[in-house]
Amino acid sequence: GPKVLQIPSHQIIDMGQMVTLNCDPVSNHLYFYWYKQILGQQMEFLVNFYNGKVMEKSKLFKDQFSVERPDGSYFTLKIQPTALEDSAVYFCASSLPGISYEQYFGPGTRLTVL
Amino acid sequence: SQWGEENLQALSIQEGEDVTMNCSYKTYTTVVQWYRQKSGKGPAQLILIRSNEREKRSGRLRATLDTSSQSSSLSITGTLATDTAVYFCASPTGNTGKLIFGLGTTLQVQP
Repeated sequence: GPKVLQIPSHQIIDMGQMVTLNCDPVSNHLYFYWYKQILGQQMEFLVNFYNGKVMEKSKLFKDQFSVERPDGSYFTLKIQPTALEDSAVYFCASSLPGISYEQYFGPGTRLTVL
Repeated sequence: SQWGEENLQALSIQEGEDVTMNCSYKTYTTVVQWYRQKSGKGPAQLILIRSNEREKRSGRLRATLDTSSQSSSLSITGTLATDTAVYFCASPTGNTGKLIFGLGTTLQVQP
């Protein structure tokens, strides 16, 4: 089936540094999402992106977070600067435009902030 | 939270047994999706059931949705060891379809 790829699979950085998480969504999808999952806890929505704009963001999407998809390339989540509480697995998802379409998830990027 | 606390469970069964997992939701939703997440992987949708459907089947899977009791269930018949995973219910909300996930049921199927 359709696959979403995420690069890198693991990232370890020092607190205060910048990190960019990359997502290669399904080719004909137009809705893009980031979700955050702390070990043992439920998956939580961060942000939804469509047509070059953030459509909705949660309270977890702090000012240090930003998303973009320049020229149809990777959909990225940038955190600058990182904090200890940003340690988590970040999942990218994509779907056809519409709220009832299946969201396809990538395998996640495990971010460890030291 | 959209989902009831009782959704968090851990189940261990033998291969070949049938199992049913439940979710209850607090706010009306027109769609419930069931996802499976295997260790080290992202969630994958198993079944999407709408409010005008009481039951939906896909292979060994059967989902139900009871809007009067605001609950949904996922049954797996003839479980396999490969069904070992965390199972989440989720509903799309708002205008962007963001998913609100339940806490999940951890299912361990012993071979």
